[in-house]
Amino acid sequence: AQKVTQAQTEISVVEKEDVTLDCVYETRDTTYYLFWYKQPPSGELVFLIRRNSFDEQNEISGRYSWNFQKSTSSFNFTITASQVVDSAVYFCALSLNYGGATNKLIFGTGTLLAVQP
Amino acid sequence: DSGVTQTPKHLITATGQRVTLRCSPRSGDLSVYWYQQSLDQGLQFLIQYYNGEERAKGNILERFSAQQFPDLHSELNLSSLELGDSALYFCASMVSQPQHFGDGTRLSIL
Repeated sequence: AQKVTQAQTEISVVEKEDVTLDCVYETRDTTYYLFWYKQPPSGELVFLIRRNSFDEQNEISGRYSWNFQKSTSSFNFTITASQVVDSAVYFCALSLNYGGATNKLIFGTGTLLAVQP
Repeated sequence: DSGVTQTPKHLITATGQRVTLRCSPRSGDLSVYWYQQSLDQGLQFLIQYYNGEERAKGNILERFSAQQFPDLHSELNLSSLELGDSALYFCASMVSQPQHFGDGTRLSIL
């Protein structure tokens, strides 16, 4: 079975601090996708990043960076110089990726990030 | 704007009633997914349709049903509503990953 664990329920930081959101996943499949979604207070789910299981290259996009390590089954998300607008719930998700897979998303429980001014 | 449209945005009804949630996927997306977000269960996959056919079922109650029409829009029908059905219901669509989500329908059961 597949599972995503986000052990951090809530994180509170002060603006301009760096913050890392942890994600640990479980799957016996070798081909899968990992995702991060953001849910701001307005409630919508916003796609941030997708990573294929065969691509362990880390990625940086502006203030956001992602560290994918298959050896530890982790896909962590770092926000550098956090801003108040980063305040949201962040979800890590897993999807299988092979012919016949439904590609449904399996979500973690989310991490509520509060950035204080 | 994800391109996925969900209506209505809010729905308030009473126990025992039936409601229909509607989803219009992004242009060209054949797959539609429904998810439920509740305080108890978090974000859970309910059901998937692909080009009009049911493809997969998740934790969907028997009181719930869905369908996808020839124009690819989808409807989620919830019947015999209970207080515990209060949740945010999301629709997502894709042709290839990632899934793009609508803004959700917030269902409140009184």
